Amino acid sequence: DVKVTQSSRYLVKRTGEKVFLECVQDMDHENMFWYRQDPGLGLRLIYFSYDVKMKEKGDIPEGYSVSREKKERFSLILESASTNQTSMYLCASSLSVIGPGHRRGQPQHFGDGTRLSIL
Amino acid sequence: ILNVEQSPQSLHVQEGDSTNFTCSFPSSNFYALHWYRWETAKSPEALFVMTLNGDEKKKGRISATLNTKEGYSYLYIKGSQPEDSATYLCAWKEGGSEKLVFGKGTKLTVNP
Repeated sequence: DVKVTQSSRYLVKRTGEKVFLECVQDMDHENMFWYRQDPGLGLRLIYFSYDVKMKEKGDIPEGYSVSREKKERFSLILESASTNQTSMYLCASSLSVIGPGHRRGQPQHFGDGTRLSIL
Repeated sequence: ILNVEQSPQSLHVQEGDSTNFTCSFPSSNFYALHWYRWETAKSPEALFVMTLNGDEKKKGRISATLNTKEGYSYLYIKGSQPEDSATYLCAWKEGGSEKLVFGKGTKLTVNP
């Protein structure tokens, strides 16, 4: 079974702090994603990465950056945390649609989420 | 703007009732349609990934259908149980993209 592990379930930080959220997957997936989930807004994509050192902005990248130095690890960075970044953050991974095998029917695999509070 | 809409937003049913929800998505450049179940305090879990028009998939009491030409998918739960209580998310993937576009989910509560 694919395992996607997020470093913390709950995190409390202060306004202005630099915050790191870590995510590790163990299935050699090319793609990794960071989402945030807010009531009434559904899952919104912040950033994703399709390869080591490669990244693409999602729908709401402002105030965030990411790092992917190794294939299995994808970090989300809040450069200067603000209260409007209080949210549930979810990491996911998936196989690329490009490549051998039946990849079209492959799902994304999610971590348990980090509930981040910025005070 | 590429929109995925789910209805209803929330649903309360009694144990034993059968129920269904709708997901509508853009009908052009279709690649795949995903359904996930997200229980409180757990991670979203993939139920189905559907890729062909007319696809029907089943997993126990849960099944789903897909119409790519008109851009909708139905999720059915037969004989709902309290453990089916969760938020059900659908997500659409267009051709050439690695990303999913998620709907806002349908929150199902099954009362014993």
